[in-house]
Amino acid sequence: GQQLNQSPQSMFIQEGEDVSMNCTSSSIFNTWLWYKQDPGEGPVLLIALYKAGELTSNGRLTAQFGITRKDSFLNISASIPSDVGIYFCAGRNTGTASKLTFGTGTRLQVTL
Amino acid sequence: ETGVTQTPRHLVMGMTNKKSLKCEQHLGHNAMYWYKQSAKKPLELMFVYNFKEQTENNSVPSRFSPECPNSSHLFLHLHTLQPEDSALYLCASSQGTGQVSGYTFGSGTRLTVV
Repeated sequence: GQQLNQSPQSMFIQEGEDVSMNCTSSSIFNTWLWYKQDPGEGPVLLIALYKAGELTSNGRLTAQFGITRKDSFLNISASIPSDVGIYFCAGRNTGTASKLTFGTGTRLQVTL
Repeated sequence: ETGVTQTPRHLVMGMTNKKSLKCEQHLGHNAMYWYKQSAKKPLELMFVYNFKEQTENNSVPSRFSPECPNSSHLFLHLHTLQPEDSALYLCASSQGTGQVSGYTFGSGTRLTVV
């Protein structure tokens, strides 16, 4: 089946630094989504991407839909302590419209 | 109350117990989902309901029994669970299974089987 690999698995960064993470798939997706999960909570949608090559921002977050449709990237600029959490990518095909395939997650920890 | 609400937030149960998890959404969505989140594993889809009808069972053991009495409520009935079933169980909803928008998740039920 489809698998989504996220990297890095975890990262420690200093407050104010920029963060980059990515998600790669063994097959093509038509939609890419990025979620953040705070400790003890469910994932919350950050950004949705619907077109290959699309670049979308949400505040300090920017995500891109890779042109091969097999990858996506998330960047966080000027990180702050509340950015701590687990970031998940998720992909969806129109052929499996009921199902999101989730990545393994990137755990972000910010040091002051 | 808005969003997706899950109760209880935490549950400890013995292997011979029977318990139920509840999920309620106030978003007017038509599709609801159960996911299992174990440590160091991707989110695992368990069940999908669309307009109260189950449209997907992702090879889930029969000791997990879902129920969807209406589009706003979803239950997960648990019986004779195993310790490896300990995990965070997340409920989600969406406008429809054909939509490309994302899901709205609840806060989850942290289940511990002893």
